[in-house]
Amino acid sequence: DTGVSQDPRHKITKRGQNVTFRCDPISEHNRLYWYRQTLGQGPEFLTYFQNEAQLEKSRLLSDRFSAERPKGSFSTLEIQRTEQGDSAMYLCAGSKNTGELFFGEGSRLTVL
Amino acid sequence: GEDVEQSLFLSVREGDSSVINCTYTDSSSTYLYWYKQEPGAGLQLLTYIFSNMDMKQDQRLTVLLNKKDKHLSLRIADTQTGDSAIYFCAETMDSGYALNFGKGTSLLVTP
Repeated sequence: DTGVSQDPRHKITKRGQNVTFRCDPISEHNRLYWYRQTLGQGPEFLTYFQNEAQLEKSRLLSDRFSAERPKGSFSTLEIQRTEQGDSAMYLCAGSKNTGELFFGEGSRLTVL
Repeated sequence: GEDVEQSLFLSVREGDSSVINCTYTDSSSTYLYWYKQEPGAGLQLLTYIFSNMDMKQDQRLTVLLNKKDKHLSLRIADTQTGDSAIYFCAETMDSGYALNFGKGTSLLVTP
C-alpha cells in the first residue's frame, strides 16, 4: 500500500459527459503527478504539481482536461465533453522530491 | 513512452534467470528506473540506478547500465511465479521532474 488513494476506481460515462477524478497522496508528497495508461501501453505523462503549483503539462492534456491541487494536498483531474478516446486508466502518483513515484491503483474511465 | 523501448513479452521457467532489456534516448537522464505492475494494481518501484553507475545489485535483482549504448537491463535471479507481472523501464524527462515510461515487458513465469 503506497498510501495514495484514487476515487472512483471505475467510472462509466456517456460520450459528452464531464467526469472528475480525485487523488489523495500522503502528506509528505509535495510532488503529484497524473498519468494516463491504455491497454498494452506504459503510463503517459499528463501533468505535474509541486505543492499547489502546476509546473508542467503534456501536449496530451488538451483543453478539455484540467487538473488542480488547490491546497497542495489532494488533486482533481476533470475531463469535459468526454470522447471514446479518453477511455483509459488514469494514474496518480506522489513523490517526495525524488524519482520514486508512489502510484495509486488508478481510476478506470470507460466512455460509451 | 515513445523514447523508451522494451521487448513486449518474456517467458521463463521458474528458477531460471530473467533478463529484461530497455533502450532509452535521453543521455542526460540522471536516474533510470524499473517499475513493476501486477494485474489490477498500481506501479511499484523495484529499483533504480544512478547514471554514473554501471551496475547495481539488490537481492535477486541486478541492474546493468551501458551509457554508451543507452541500454539498461534488469536481471531477476531464481525467478518465481510471483514475479509474473509487467516491468516498466523509465527515464527522467527533460524537465527533470516527471518520468517517461516504456511500454512495458510482460513477464510470464511458468512452473
